[in-house]
Amino acid sequence: DAGVTQSPTHLIKTRGQHVTLRCSPISGHKSVSWYQQVLGQGPQFIFQYYEKEERGRGNFPDRFSARQFPNYSSELNVNALLLGDSALYLCASSLVAPGGTEAFFGQGTRLTVV
Amino acid sequence: GQNIDQPTEMTATEGAIVQINCTYQTSGFNGLFWYQQHAGEAPTFLSYNVLDGLEEKGRFSSFLSRSKGYSYLLLKELQMKDSASYLCAVRDDTNAGKSTFGDGTTLTVKP
Repeated sequence: DAGVTQSPTHLIKTRGQHVTLRCSPISGHKSVSWYQQVLGQGPQFIFQYYEKEERGRGNFPDRFSARQFPNYSSELNVNALLLGDSALYLCASSLVAPGGTEAFFGQGTRLTVV
Repeated sequence: GQNIDQPTEMTATEGAIVQINCTYQTSGFNGLFWYQQHAGEAPTFLSYNVLDGLEEKGRFSSFLSRSKGYSYLLLKELQMKDSASYLCAVRDDTNAGKSTFGDGTTLTVKP
C-alpha cells in the first residue's frame, strides 16, 4: 500500500516567489495536516483539513494557505517567499478527526529559498 | 500556551537501555506521541499514550503521567540503527490533526 506521498521532494525558489506543495494521503484517510520543520527543531503545525474543510490553523502568516480536494489530496501554498520559509514541509494523514488515530507522515518537501 | 521540553542530546552504548524524558505544559491534552526521525527523513510513529501507565511495544516502551505532565520513551537493547532524533508530541484535545512537538532528542548509539 502506498503511504503518504509528497511532491516535489526538493525545491529551490527565490525570495518573493510563490510555491505550491502537494500531498496525497494514505488511501481511506480523510484528514491531512501540514507541518513546517526548520533544521534542529520539531515540526510546527500549519494547517489541518478534514473532509475538505479547514479544521485548524497554526500561528503562520496569511502568506500560507492550503486546500483539500474531493479525493482528499491537499495543496499547501506559500506566497511572497522569505528566506525564513526554508524548511522541510511535512504532510501527515490520519484516518479520522477529531479523536483519530496516529498520523502518518510523508517524506516531506525540502524547500530552499535563496 | 504550549510547551514541550526534552533533552537536546543523549549518548548511549549499543546493547544498553536509554530513557528519553519529555515534560509538557499544554492547554489541552488528547494523547502523547513519540516519533523517531532519522536525519533527512520523515518522522515515523513509535508509540501513543492517552492513559497513565506504560505501553510496551517490542524494544520500545512509553510511559505517561498526566498529573505530572511527564512521559518517557524507553529503548532497550540499543542498536546502531536507533541513532536518530526522538520527538515527543502532544495532541490537541479539540483538533486531533494538530500536535505540538518538542524539538527532539538526538540519540547517538556508540559501539
